Amino acid sequence: GENVEQHPSTLSVQEGDSAVIKCTYSDSASNYFPWYKQELGKGPQLIIDIRSNVGEKKDQRIAVTLNKTAKHFSLHITETQPEDSAVYFCAATLNSGGSNYKLTFGKGTLLTVNP
Amino acid sequence: NAGVTQTPKFRILKIGQSMTLQCTQDMNHNYMYWYRQDPGMGLKLIYYSVGAGITDKGEVPNGYNVSRSTTEDFPLRLELAAPSQTSVYFCASSYEDSRYNEQFFGPGTRLTVL
Repeated sequence: GENVEQHPSTLSVQEGDSAVIKCTYSDSASNYFPWYKQELGKGPQLIIDIRSNVGEKKDQRIAVTLNKTAKHFSLHITETQPEDSAVYFCAATLNSGGSNYKLTFGKGTLLTVNP
Repeated sequence: NAGVTQTPKFRILKIGQSMTLQCTQDMNHNYMYWYRQDPGMGLKLIYYSVGAGITDKGEVPNGYNVSRSTTEDFPLRLELAAPSQTSVYFCASSYEDSRYNEQFFGPGTRLTVL
């Protein structure tokens, strides 16, 4: 089955700096890679995702890059703000037709943005 | 829309007791999931369902049971609670359409087994 490794487990940055979280996956057949943000006491929420047919995707201050050859993908947050403080999870799955179940999640990264 | 709702928010069980964690979604999603989240371990899939009457095991199904009699509800049953089942449980749902992959999560149930 799929195995997703996520690093670092904790990340502390100053407000305005950039933050990068990296994930690797084991199953070369995986083709869908979402990132979820979990605020304290809440359920995870999708913030961005990427499919294997593209190498990069941006949404305002957030970007995700994918290297299929190396089987790794990364989340980049620029101009970090205190409200970016949360736990971030990467995930991977083979999305075939309507079958988007069985996401395999990384262990999470606790991001702290210091004012 | 209320989205995905879970009850209860918190529960303390004694070893050997049973309970049902409730999950309801009002988005007419076919797919529903149960995850458990242990500290530093990410989310592990317990069971999932692709529609009413259809359920299947995820990565960590032992000690749990599920049913899906309606599109809206997906309860998770613990029959003989064990300390290893102390965790935060999340229910999620999604569309049956590969163009819309987002899983919508409920607020979670924090369960302690003593």
